[in-house]
Amino acid sequence: IAGITQAPTSQILAAGRRMTLRCTQDMRHNAMYWYRQDLGLGLRLIHYSNTAGTTGKGEVPDGYSVSRANTDDFPLTLASAVPSQTSVYFCASRDSAMTEAFFGQGTRLTVV
Amino acid sequence: KQEVTQIPAALSVPEGENLVLNCSFTDSAIYNLQWFRQDPGKGLTSLLLIQSSQREQTSGRLNASLDKSSGRSTLYIAASQPGDSATYLCAVSWLSGGYNKLIFGAGTRLAVHP
Repeated sequence: IAGITQAPTSQILAAGRRMTLRCTQDMRHNAMYWYRQDLGLGLRLIHYSNTAGTTGKGEVPDGYSVSRANTDDFPLTLASAVPSQTSVYFCASRDSAMTEAFFGQGTRLTVV
Repeated sequence: KQEVTQIPAALSVPEGENLVLNCSFTDSAIYNLQWFRQDPGKGLTSLLLIQSSQREQTSGRLNASLDKSSGRSTLYIAASQPGDSATYLCAVSWLSGGYNKLIFGAGTRLAVHP
């Protein structure tokens, strides 16, 4: 089934550890996004990429990095996790015409 | 700064009521606006997409309108059902500096009781 796959679905991580959240889409969409969702704050944009080889900072980029080596993959890395990064992370994609956005099922991350 | 606001934050209604969810945005030069539904612990499901040149979109019992000049969109749900209970999110796209962004409101949590 075509769509977006995120991995892992959930993770408990010790503070200070490095972690990469994976996101893969098979729709050949140019644009991809990473959001975090926290109670009362909604979805906040962390980083985005309009096409392979380019990335941009969203509203809350500090502590996170991304790469876009190819069209399908958009990994999000936490270099040194802190408890405030405990959240649900969503990856999304859409085509270059900026039509409908599609979302993955999310990764629930707990940093202890 | 480009921001999206949704009112009310929560809504509880009896089954069968028609209801309106509101979304407002700064900067009227939007590219499009999308309404999503999110069930607890789940991902986002797209409901309706309105391009900047459109005034409304309809899908079944759902109707979304767009008024760029006032910076507003509404999602109208007709004859609400308990299965409509979920959080509804509004997301707006702007073209900014050659990059496109998709910014969300905080959502409206809807409960439809029998």
